[in-house]
Amino acid sequence: SQWGEENLQALSIQEGEDVTMNCSYKTYTTVVHWYRQDSGRGPALIILIRSNEREKRSGRLRATLDTSSQSSSLSITAAQCEDTAVYFCATGASSFSKLVFGQGTSLSVVP
Amino acid sequence: EAAVTQSPRSKVAVTGGKVTLSCHQTNNHDYMYWYRQDTGHGLRLIHYSYVADSTEKGDIPDGYKASRPSQENFSLILELASLSQTAVYFCASSDASWGNTGQLYFGEGSKLTVL
Repeated sequence: SQWGEENLQALSIQEGEDVTMNCSYKTYTTVVHWYRQDSGRGPALIILIRSNEREKRSGRLRATLDTSSQSSSLSITAAQCEDTAVYFCATGASSFSKLVFGQGTSLSVVP
Repeated sequence: EAAVTQSPRSKVAVTGGKVTLSCHQTNNHDYMYWYRQDTGHGLRLIHYSYVADSTEKGDIPDGYKASRPSQENFSLILELASLSQTAVYFCASSDASWGNTGQLYFGEGSKLTVL
């Protein structure tokens, strides 16, 4: 089915644990965006990885990209309660292209 | 100082009525987008625009029209609202020019309920 039509995946973890969310894409991609959406808010970019990068880090976030398997992952180290949100990946063939969003992962971090 | 603002933030409409959702951006971006989000689902692109007075169809344009009268403003129009159009609508802008990331900057969303 098309992206966006599938149900959100849901993950629940304890505070302090590490977590990895996966994203697979179907079309030629030069950039993968990861967005975070807090309840009742619009999504906001948290990390971006280009096709010439295998890994990108930003604080406790780590994104990977494997163009051969057309997949990307987002890892959060030592998750905190404030990391509770929905996380989406979005892919595009270029900075001019419209982004295609994945179905998203609803992450709940409990004390 | 929100760079993408949407109005109204919430609206209840009747089936068959006309609904206009408005979006204003102060990012000076050329690209603007309208996405739809259904409860428990991801974002789907309805319409987008890369220049004033021109709009393009996204992935789910049926039942929607768009208008871009200026670089700053982008509207989504439902001429005959239907129950199936109950959703949250997000506007976004991006600087999709060469060398930039194409990062989307989203508004806070407009929750539409059609009864």
